[in-house]
Amino acid sequence: TQTVSQSDAHVTVFEGDSVELRCNYSYGGSIYLSWYIQHHGRGLQFLLKYYSGNPVVQGVNGFEAEFSKSDSSFHLRKASVHWSDSAVYFCAVSSTGGADRLTFGKGTQLIIQP
Amino acid sequence: EAAVTQSPRNKVTVTGGNVTLSCRQTNSHNYMYWYRQDTGHGLRLIHYSYGAGNLQIGDVPDGYKATRTTQEDFFLLLELASPSQTSLYFCASSGGTGGPQNTLYFGAGTRLSVL
Repeated sequence: TQTVSQSDAHVTVFEGDSVELRCNYSYGGSIYLSWYIQHHGRGLQFLLKYYSGNPVVQGVNGFEAEFSKSDSSFHLRKASVHWSDSAVYFCAVSSTGGADRLTFGKGTQLIIQP
Repeated sequence: EAAVTQSPRNKVTVTGGNVTLSCRQTNSHNYMYWYRQDTGHGLRLIHYSYGAGNLQIGDVPDGYKATRTTQEDFFLLLELASPSQTSLYFCASSGGTGGPQNTLYFGAGTRLSVL
């Protein structure tokens, strides 16, 4: 069984700061990992995903994530946040690659202070 | 840009009521999904479908039925609504299940309140 954990329910930073949102998973085999963003009152939107190859993947709007097999992690990072990055971020894992077996974390709310 | 449209955006019903949530995608995707989102639980999969006439059970199917009438349309049915089904419901679609096809495209959501 695959599980995903987002340890921080809320993260608060100032505009222009860097940020890292943490995601840890548990599964023994090959795994697909992705991040989605949800702005207030809207549906989730895809940010980026990883299955194999370069462990650092680039997404939209300056986001990137790094896969670490040894740490069972897929943390999301951004070097300089903008107020429009305020949203809830969801990490998701799938052991099959199938969206039908996607397990979402509980989400991390990113709060950007001016 | 992939498009998934849900209706209604908001719905209030009473316990025991009959509710249908609608979802239409214009992406020519084969796969469609219904999720519910609750504080403290994240997103949980209710039902999904591989194509017209197909239905698969998700992780939290109790109290829900679904029907996929066409490639574009996927409906979620609550025949005897209960307060525990008060939630934010999302529909999503994807082109496939593997590799680059497994990206989900979400609708804007339907907020359902069962009184």
